[in-house]
Amino acid sequence: QQQVKQSPQSLIVQKGGISIINCAYENTAFDYFPWYQQFPGKGPALLIAIRPDVSEKKEGRFTISFNKSAKQFSLHIMDSQPGDSATYFCAATETGRRALTFGSGTRLQVQP
Amino acid sequence: SQTIHQWPATLVQPVGSPLSLECTVEGTSNPNLYWYRQAAGRGLQLLFYSVGIGQISSEVPQNLSASRPQDRQFILSSKKLLLSDSGFYLCAWTPPGPVDTQYFGPGTRLTVL
Repeated sequence: QQQVKQSPQSLIVQKGGISIINCAYENTAFDYFPWYQQFPGKGPALLIAIRPDVSEKKEGRFTISFNKSAKQFSLHIMDSQPGDSATYFCAATETGRRALTFGSGTRLQVQP
Repeated sequence: SQTIHQWPATLVQPVGSPLSLECTVEGTSNPNLYWYRQAAGRGLQLLFYSVGIGQISSEVPQNLSASRPQDRQFILSSKKLLLSDSGFYLCAWTPPGPVDTQYFGPGTRLTVL
């Protein structure tokens, strides 16, 4: 019940296109949903995060959409750029826990 | 501002040799500290976390151990490395209390031959 399922495993998008990565969870107690971006050989860095009191959060070209009833959340990258090529991880946790539960990651490649 | 350091950056060790990876955090007090392992092309596996000096929680039984001898120091160790211990080891920290944003270090690439 602590799992977070992420798809797709890999994604190829043309420059200027929209990249969409999806995550699903089972634990209804989860109340914090961050996305992390990881470049090769580097540690992951927080990209954007959402709490379930809102259905969407936008920061620049990055948007999280959250569907509480479906227990799903997704990351949209608008106007995708080659510099966005990286691995993206979704994660989730519940208030009071000491650790995040991560998805398995999506390797995004944006072709010029 | 807070900074997290890991060393060494890369390490090649023979099977059966010991291991010691170090992580330190600057600019904060009493952080929660975490060790993750990332196999090639895979997700993040939480190995250990610590909420204070000498307090270690293990998430996965394995060949590794962790220690926290000082408030901002977290060490990952092994007495005898296995081939399956190869991977990218990441240390992370969060402010004290329930977890929110985690901040990751630069990682250590370990290859066991």
